[in-house]
Amino acid sequence: GENVEQHPSTLSVQEGDSAVIKCTYSDSASNYFPWYKQELGKGPQLIIDIRSNVGEKKDQRIAVTLNKTAKHFSLHITETQPEDSAVYFCAASRRYGGSQGNLIFGKGTKLSVKP
Amino acid sequence: GAVVSQHPSRVICKSGTSVKIECRSLDFQATTMFWYRQFPKKSLMLMATSNEGSKATYEQGVEKDKFLINHASLTLSTLTVTSAHPEDSSFYICSAMTSGRHNEQFFGPGTRLTVL
Repeated sequence: GENVEQHPSTLSVQEGDSAVIKCTYSDSASNYFPWYKQELGKGPQLIIDIRSNVGEKKDQRIAVTLNKTAKHFSLHITETQPEDSAVYFCAASRRYGGSQGNLIFGKGTKLSVKP
Repeated sequence: GAVVSQHPSRVICKSGTSVKIECRSLDFQATTMFWYRQFPKKSLMLMATSNEGSKATYEQGVEKDKFLINHASLTLSTLTVTSAHPEDSSFYICSAMTSGRHNEQFFGPGTRLTVL
């Protein structure tokens, strides 16, 4: 089955710097890769996702890149702000195109943005 | 994004009692809902997948008689923790998936269960 590895487990950056979180997956059939932000005591919030038919997607300060050959995808946050501090989870699944594969989550990255 | 609500947000109960948690998709119909359990500083652990009108599919190691799931409508799924014990204390999160080509998955705010 699918296995998702996420690094680093913790990341501390200064406000205004960029943050990068990387994930690798094992199932070459996975085609949907969402990223979730979870604040303390709350449920995960979908912040961006990418499907296997594109290599990069951007939404304001957040971007995600996908390398299907190497089977890894990354989350990039630019101009970080203290409110970006949270735990971020990557996930992979066979979901695009109407499939119903379960999301397999990475173990999470705790991002701390210092003012 | 789509909104998923969960009720209650927190519940404290005595050992041996049952607790019901509701999960609702507020602005979309969800043929599939998921229930997760999350331990402190850990990732989400899928407990079961719930499809409207059919029996839930439980992950290996999850007791179906202890964690009863009912997906009665396209907007409501419930998780009942039966005969709760302190080891059942955890953060339970539901999730609902949109249907069609873009099967996005949205999470509820979670329910903190504490069993005394």
